[in-house]
Amino acid sequence: EPEVTQTPSHQVTQMGQEVILRCVPISNHLYFYWYRQILGQKVEFLVSFYNNEISEKSEIFDDQFSVERPDGSNFTLKIRSTKLEDSAMYFCASSDREVRNSPLHFGNGTRLTVT
Amino acid sequence: QKEVEQDPGPLSVPEGAIVSLNCTYSNSAFQYFMWYRQYSRKGPELLMYTYSSGNKEDGRFTAQVDKSSKYISLFIRDSQPSDSATYLCAMTGFQKLVFGTGTRLLVSP
Repeated sequence: EPEVTQTPSHQVTQMGQEVILRCVPISNHLYFYWYRQILGQKVEFLVSFYNNEISEKSEIFDDQFSVERPDGSNFTLKIRSTKLEDSAMYFCASSDREVRNSPLHFGNGTRLTVT
Repeated sequence: QKEVEQDPGPLSVPEGAIVSLNCTYSNSAFQYFMWYRQYSRKGPELLMYTYSSGNKEDGRFTAQVDKSSKYISLFIRDSQPSDSATYLCAMTGFQKLVFGTGTRLLVSP
């Protein structure tokens, strides 16, 4: 069964550094998402992306965050200047239609640790 | 009031028991309801997807939605130790998926 793959599985970075989290969505999917889960808390929406632009973002997704689909297969999340509170699991997800018509398929996440 | 409420558990049951997991929500715009299972250090895995009110069955799993009460349930029959995981309810109206906090289920042999 096709799956969403994320790299790296664990990223450790120092506060203030830039990080790029990478995702390869399922190949025929058109809608892409980033969610995060702080340890012990619920999964939270960050951003949705369709047709090479952001379609919705949460209040968490401020100017320090950006997303990009640099080629036909990768979908990236960049955090420009990491803060301690950015430490979390970051999940990429994709779907072939809008989320109301098609459930999301999630990757196994990247654990980001900011020291 | 939280948009989606879910008891975090843990819920401990013996193997073979029927498990009932529930969520309540406040946003009447939600029409699409999902249950995800999450094992430790893994991403959420879709179990059930339902639209509007009613029941849906898939093997040992049954999802129920009662929009009038803003209440959704997931039933697991003949629970197995391999069902031990965190179960997340999730719902949406149009765009973003809103998750509950997840209920941790422990099925003992």
